[in-house]
Amino acid sequence: NAGVTQTPKFQVLKTGQSMTLQCAQDMNHNSMYWYRQDPGMGLRLIYYSASEGTTDKGEVPNGYNVSRLNKREFSLRLESAAPSQTSVYFCASSWTSGLQETQYFGPGTRLLVL
Amino acid sequence: GENVEQHPSTLSVQEGDSAVIKCTYSDSASNYFPWYKQELGKGPQLIIDIRSNVGEKKDQRIAVTLNKTAKHFSLHITETQPEDSAVYFCAVNNAGNMLTFGGGTRLMVKP
Repeated sequence: NAGVTQTPKFQVLKTGQSMTLQCAQDMNHNSMYWYRQDPGMGLRLIYYSASEGTTDKGEVPNGYNVSRLNKREFSLRLESAAPSQTSVYFCASSWTSGLQETQYFGPGTRLLVL
Repeated sequence: GENVEQHPSTLSVQEGDSAVIKCTYSDSASNYFPWYKQELGKGPQLIIDIRSNVGEKKDQRIAVTLNKTAKHFSLHITETQPEDSAVYFCAVNNAGNMLTFGGGTRLMVKP
């Protein structure tokens, strides 16, 4: 039982390049989330998927797209990376969204955009 | 939307001392208050949470207290140990039942 896994662990991009961050969970959770973590700002929600087949914007969705590929996998895509997207990205999952459910986090992807 | 402020941003204590981290929030409808611990190079992990129908919850050396009237809640760690050194985040559920996180507190426990 690996919990929440993320790939890659590290990535360096040039401005304008695109990439997809991958996330998978093996806990049979319905809901999945993407956050970014910046110094002094905690974690901010980018997008979430309350259940398979649905996605919704969070607090900071601009410049990102997501795909809930199936119940296990939730990917985050940067179409044209910008230096402001340099951050640490965390994927999380929970049994359901809201309802005071514990969120389980992956180990993160560190992204540097030059 | 929900605004969560966390203080202090850094906290240094001697091993064996207590540590207290405080968070304030703005939405009086919030009713779920988890605390997460993030060790270096890892993702956050839930350590304790409290719901609005109780004022205090304890789990061994950690406790959380909630004051709904004043809209603040605190994490208390007693008898701190070096392995308590980490970044701690408070969170609050918002109107959409998503979590809004505080800015984090870096706790350093000196041996």
